Amino acid sequence: QAVLTQPASLSASPGASASLTCTLRSDSNVANFRIYWYQQKPGSPPRFVLRYKSDSDKQQGSGVPRRFSGSRDVSANTGILLISGLQSEDEADYYCMIWHNNAWVFGGGTKLTVL
Amino acid sequence: QVQLQESGPGLVRTSETLSLICTVSGGSINSYYWTWIRQPAGKGLEWIGRMFTGGSSTYNPSLMGRVTISVDTSRKQFSLKLSAVTAADAAVYFCAREGSTHIDYWGRGTLVTVSS
Repeated sequence: QAVLTQPASLSASPGASASLTCTLRSDSNVANFRIYWYQQKPGSPPRFVLRYKSDSDKQQGSGVPRRFSGSRDVSANTGILLISGLQSEDEADYYCMIWHNNAWVFGGGTKLTVL
Repeated sequence: QVQLQESGPGLVRTSETLSLICTVSGGSINSYYWTWIRQPAGKGLEWIGRMFTGGSSTYNPSLMGRVTISVDTSRKQFSLKLSAVTAADAAVYFCAREGSTHIDYWGRGTLVTVSS
């Protein structure tokens, strides 16, 4: 089982909110990890969106709008990237990442479609 | 503004060694982790490894034994060598800087094709 699991795709309408999830394998407690989120558009390298561990341990990427926010669901062992007020420019692939067993590990990515 | 630029052969023969260089400009090469990440066509990101300037290196366990990352501070470059390549190593290879809080600067990526 993969360390990080993300749904392959998600669709939402402009102006709506989208909740992108990143589920940790059961042997890794989400409460113990900083989860990093990256946005990637076609033909471009990833861009740092934000990092979230708790409300007291989080960081927004430079120039990233406040409508991007992080959270977690401890009961589901899941990190969450919430994008509110969706815009067409938010359409991209989103990857979560954690530092796990002395290595960076990426989730498989979620393709967010805004339509 | 920090900029990273990958360079190297776009085609590598099966079983040979892939060698890439990343040139750093607009900032210091000292006291950072320098990182390689790859992305096969149409697929997700895979961390290859990193090296701290003048210090230790850490590699993806799945690539251990085939990968070497080194840093040349005098040239402001760091490099990736991946030996015994197969078709599974074909990908866009990104070099990146890991700052104090996250991976913050990325190169544009370079496509490496593996062919027999």
